[in-house]
Amino acid sequence: SQQGEEDPQALSIQEGENATMNCSYKTSINNLQWYRQNSGRGLVHLILIRSNEREKHSGRLRVTLDTSKKSSSLLITASRAADTASYFCATEKLSGSARQLTFGSGTQLTVLP
Amino acid sequence: EAGVTQFPSHSVIEKGQTVTLRCDPISGHDNLYWYRRVMGKEIKFLLHFVKESKQDESGMPNNRFLAERTGGTYSTLKVQPAELEDSGVYFCASSQGGGQGWIYEQYFGPGTRLTVT
Repeated sequence: SQQGEEDPQALSIQEGENATMNCSYKTSINNLQWYRQNSGRGLVHLILIRSNEREKHSGRLRVTLDTSKKSSSLLITASRAADTASYFCATEKLSGSARQLTFGSGTQLTVLP
Repeated sequence: EAGVTQFPSHSVIEKGQTVTLRCDPISGHDNLYWYRRVMGKEIKFLLHFVKESKQDESGMPNNRFLAERTGGTYSTLKVQPAELEDSGVYFCASSQGGGQGWIYEQYFGPGTRLTVT
């Protein structure tokens, strides 16, 4: 079984529309993070939400976390063509001072101009 | 501020050869991580350094992989001998922080695409 599975795997929308991506995970976490990866580039950190938070905003991004359902959603409002990328959720489980992120398989978002 | 850099950006080697990947973290970041994404699969954690010490190497696939971070600055990841299934993108990340309970985001490099033929 996988930790951090995104849904849908691919999403295509028109510029200006909102895009919603979901992530589910299986074990208890300390925080959940969303990353973006443009084609051929590295991962860019978008937003981090702690396990005791339910919602967080950053610009056009809105992230929710439901620890009872072990799920998170990423909403991008008023999408732009430049938002076209792969989006990954990653969970972090604290174990002393050890850290590791567990990534999902990602959602490929295409925003059509 | 310079980000995480990785070298080379792309490496093509034959099965059985050795390859060494390098990662330069953001200056001042004690924490350095290696991840990899093999074809069609998720990004997987390999290991975590705190300064020069290996904090967690639970993700290292086998003893053909050797990571070092001498002096606690840059890190190298050596694959010897390389196998076909080692092909993929190897990411490095770094973060601030230390001790119990801290939470800091990890900044990722652009990755090294390794192709083993």
